[in-house]
Amino acid sequence: ETGVTQTPRHLVMGMTNKKSLKCEQHLGHNAMYWYKQSAKKPLELMFVYSLEERVENNSVPSRFSPECPNSSHLFLHLHTLQPEDSALYLCASSQDSPLATNTGELFFGEGSRLTVL
Amino acid sequence: QQPVQSPQAVILREGEDAVINCSSSKALYSVHWYRQKHGEAPVFLMILLKGGEQKGHEKISASFNEKKQQSSLYLTASQLSYSGTYFCGTEGTNDYKLSFGAGTTVTVRA
Repeated sequence: ETGVTQTPRHLVMGMTNKKSLKCEQHLGHNAMYWYKQSAKKPLELMFVYSLEERVENNSVPSRFSPECPNSSHLFLHLHTLQPEDSALYLCASSQDSPLATNTGELFFGEGSRLTVL
Repeated sequence: QQPVQSPQAVILREGEDAVINCSSSKALYSVHWYRQKHGEAPVFLMILLKGGEQKGHEKISASFNEKKQQSSLYLTASQLSYSGTYFCGTEGTNDYKLSFGAGTTVTVRA
């Protein structure tokens, strides 16, 4: 139990569907992150939120849309995805904003396994 | 720019030692190490800041050679619980954006 909870754990969707991934952190942290994990590839940073403001958008296609309504919740809205978007999507949080100092310890959720048919 | 890890995979018997290397093409401010067991979240092991600091976590230690832009993770007297995929993450001196390597899969057998 890392204090970061992701739902759903597994999701199968067609290319025309719209779905959302949810992340909740119970640690009182100020920064939240979305990473994409594909087999045999490095973890790819997608988005960073610091105090509910997006501070990093790592050239992610617009079919991925993040939302951070408060410092404890982070969503990733998905629409018209492609099969190559199938991956494990990891949410993480850290105590401090990565803008103010180096990235501290990241607390990861167990991820949402996405399959796009 | 993502760091390069080597080897990609290593198989050990309990009690054996292993070294995992992490190299970057940019000047580094920090190196982070994480371990991910199958089906679980990555778990933080340690952060090393520039200055050549060496740190330890149980029998797992790491070094950071700032000049060579490299870090090494040392698994000493490996235990079955050490099995998993180890990731290094690096931050440059000019940008505090954490980039991860592709990972090294460690399998420890009895």
